[in-house]
Amino acid sequence: DSGVTQTPKHLITATGQRVTLRCSPRSGDLSVYWYQQSLDQGLQFLIQYYNGEERAKGNILERFSAQQFPDLHSELNLSSLELGDSALYFCASSIGSSGDGNTIYFGEGSWLTVV
Amino acid sequence: AQTVTQSQPEMSVQEAETVTLSCTYDTSESDYYLFWYKQPPSRQMILVIRQEAYKQQNATENRFSVNFQKAAKSFSLKISDSQLGDAAMYFCGSSSTLGRLYFGRGTQLTVWP
Repeated sequence: DSGVTQTPKHLITATGQRVTLRCSPRSGDLSVYWYQQSLDQGLQFLIQYYNGEERAKGNILERFSAQQFPDLHSELNLSSLELGDSALYFCASSIGSSGDGNTIYFGEGSWLTVV
Repeated sequence: AQTVTQSQPEMSVQEAETVTLSCTYDTSESDYYLFWYKQPPSRQMILVIRQEAYKQQNATENRFSVNFQKAAKSFSLKISDSQLGDAAMYFCGSSSTLGRLYFGRGTQLTVWP
């Protein structure tokens, strides 16, 4: 158990809908990362938050948004869903914000299926 | 930006034997860290081993060790005494100064009994 909690574990929704994925980082971790893993794109970095502030942005679509709340949990919002958005979405966390060797720990992921 | 390349999409090894997974990376940063993560069929991402780029000594974690060649930008993972439970997808990763991880495409390891 990495200590990173993600909900829901599985989600099936229709095209055009909107979903919210939730993540609670490990106790004491200030950084939260979101990754998307699909069969054809591998592990893609979406976005990083540190202590409530956006820190880095990757290949995140405009239809997707995220935020980190004062209690440090994070939510990833996916809207106007398309079939291609079907993927495993990982949340990960680390202590700090910079590449000072902070190990990034991953949650179990949220499986999103768009039908 | 950083790139990570894993040139072996699939590898296989006999139980109790040794296998080496290859990884090369490219970065313009002077300070970075390298990681290997394991993803079993459960899809959980599990940290296997990490290496600080400023350290010359290769990291070791029980049966897992790395061969870090900084000049060649190579970071291979050696698994000794392979076990059936080692079967998984292995991802090589490199972290930037922002902390984000760049991943390779992965190597699927099969362990034969």
